[in-house]
Amino acid sequence: AQTVTQSQPEMSVQEAETVTLSCTYDTSESDYYLFWYKQPPSRQMILVIRQEAYKQQNATENRFSVNFQKAAKSFSLKISDSQLGDAAMYFCAYRALYGNNRLAFGKGNQVVVIP
Amino acid sequence: GAGVSQTPSNKVTEKGKYVELRCDPISGHTALYWYRQSLGQGPEFLIYFQGTGAADDSGLPNDRFFAVRPEGSVSTLKIQRTERGDSAVYLCASSLGEAGELFFGEGSRLTVL
Repeated sequence: AQTVTQSQPEMSVQEAETVTLSCTYDTSESDYYLFWYKQPPSRQMILVIRQEAYKQQNATENRFSVNFQKAAKSFSLKISDSQLGDAAMYFCAYRALYGNNRLAFGKGNQVVVIP
Repeated sequence: GAGVSQTPSNKVTEKGKYVELRCDPISGHTALYWYRQSLGQGPEFLIYFQGTGAADDSGLPNDRFFAVRPEGSVSTLKIQRTERGDSAVYLCASSLGEAGELFFGEGSRLTVL
């Protein structure tokens, strides 16, 4: 079974600064998907960014970008120009390339934004 | 509806009782998923429906847990003889097709006393 590890339970960042969240995963597959989800206090999981493992280019979505290191099985999320609305739990997730949306999630990182 | 709707938002029950949690997916989404999120953990997969049938129920922890989706839209997660360890947030998600983007609801928080 695939495992996803997030080892920094809480990260604090000053408003307008940059914060990076780490994620490592374990898989024997060569192609798969990786995701970062945001979970605010409302509990709703919101997709932040998605990376296909067969693409070498790192995904970006506005202020959010990833550093995907396939050989190291590492998938970090960088939040630039942090805003108060970015405060939430962030979860890294893995999905097999084929098949359904059965995701394997990490334990999450709490991001605190200091005004 | 506009998004995935889950009811109740919060449910408190006593050990040994039966509970039902409801999920109303986005209209037209054929795939529906249930996940369970225990305190301090990420969500864990429970079951996946494609249409009316459970295509993958390998995440259900034991036979006290059961889910249905009789008309291919609304789904109900049923938990019999609840235990304190069942306390968690139960998240429902839907997607257009098997592998489309997942859209989550706000979850049902179950507390078993």
